[in-house]
Amino acid sequence: DAGVTQTPRHEVAEKGQTIILKCEPVSGHNDLFWYRQTKIQGLELLSYFRSKSLMEDGGAFKDRFKAEMLNSSFSTLKIQPTEPKDSAVYLCASSLGTGNTLYFGAGTRLSVL
Amino acid sequence: QQQVRQSPQSLTVWEGETAILNCSYEDSTFDYFPWYHQFPGESPALLIAIRPVSNKKEDGRFTIFFNKREKKFSLHIADSQPGDSATYFCAASPPGYQNFYFGKGTSLTVIP
Repeated sequence: DAGVTQTPRHEVAEKGQTIILKCEPVSGHNDLFWYRQTKIQGLELLSYFRSKSLMEDGGAFKDRFKAEMLNSSFSTLKIQPTEPKDSAVYLCASSLGTGNTLYFGAGTRLSVL
Repeated sequence: QQQVRQSPQSLTVWEGETAILNCSYEDSTFDYFPWYHQFPGESPALLIAIRPVSNKKEDGRFTIFFNKREKKFSLHIADSQPGDSATYFCAASPPGYQNFYFGKGTSLTVIP
């Protein structure tokens, strides 16, 4: 069974660019999460979908971050425009639902110059 | 307001000692408490989890102690091994839907 797949693994962008990160959850999982990970802040929730419906949108990230779930097996996270402070690892995770294990993808390491 | 607080930020123990990592939470309705570990260059992965119906959960050398009244839970790693060196995250989840609130992590180093 394939795990959570994220692409690309690394992304370098210049300030002001638009970047799109991609995620394929584990087949059959209903819940999908986007997190940002930094050493200082740890894991911060960006978006949470249940059965393709947006359940929670991290308040601090709403202005330049937009996650979409185009179908049950594919999600994107758009950052527009990028800023140097967005440099971080972006993790996608999925689970079957309430009370079930969260499975993380390998992450996308974003560097904004 | 931070929903889950974790301490210490970093911890160093000798091989064979018991490492103790602590977490507290704000919302008394939270009903699922997992611990994740993350090795350098890898993604977080579930280590062990507990629900409030019990106050202790064991899995080999790893034990969660849960105190519902004080809204605290801890991870004890017995007989720590160098291979346990990683960052450990606690989390909490409310009932009904599964958004996770994560602590900021504890970086554990086990010295041989």
